[in-house]
Amino acid sequence: KAGVTQTPRYLIKTRGQQVTLSCSPISGHRSVSWYQQTPGQGLQFLFEYFSETQRNKGNFPGRFSGRQFSNSRSEMNVSTLELGDSALYLCASSLAGDRGVRQYFGPGTRLTVL
Amino acid sequence: GDSVTQMEGPVTLSEEAFLTINCTYTATGYPSLFWYVQYPGEGLQLLLKATKADDKGSNKGFEATYRKETTSFHLEKGSVQVSDSAVYFCALSGQGGYQKVTFGTGTKLQVIP
Repeated sequence: KAGVTQTPRYLIKTRGQQVTLSCSPISGHRSVSWYQQTPGQGLQFLFEYFSETQRNKGNFPGRFSGRQFSNSRSEMNVSTLELGDSALYLCASSLAGDRGVRQYFGPGTRLTVL
Repeated sequence: GDSVTQMEGPVTLSEEAFLTINCTYTATGYPSLFWYVQYPGEGLQLLLKATKADDKGSNKGFEATYRKETTSFHLEKGSVQVSDSAVYFCALSGQGGYQKVTFGTGTKLQVIP
């Protein structure tokens, strides 16, 4: 079974631009979560989607948004990029999305904002 | 809210030494607890987990026991190898949410031959 895939793997943008990141979960997985990883803040939860609905949201500004499609693929969008948005963005999928169910992580998208 | 505190790194050990990475948590009810590992240049991998009090998670020689009374989930390994060099994250999934996982700051482990 193919793992979680994220595209692109690396991205360079400038301040003020917007960016869209993509995540394809493991086949059959319906829950997709997004995390931001930075050296200063560590791993922080962004949001989680299940069956095209956002179920959980972390403490990030409205510039961060996401969506999930009927095939469970998910996209994350960041508008009006700031320097502080430079980070590794990780996507994770799981079968049912219930507490305690194992999450499988993708390799991440490294976003650099100049 | 939920939080996870783990020991600061980096931790440097000689090969075959005993490893302990401390992790304590704050959460309401009975969270599920996890240890994830991130090897250089790679994504996160689940190392082990425990979903209820007194459960012991184990994998690849690593162990951690869910201690409700001390709200701890310390990671241990009896004999580390150079290949264990990585960053280790303690995490919890709270009772109130679904896949909203709260991570600790990570502990970098370096094992020298």
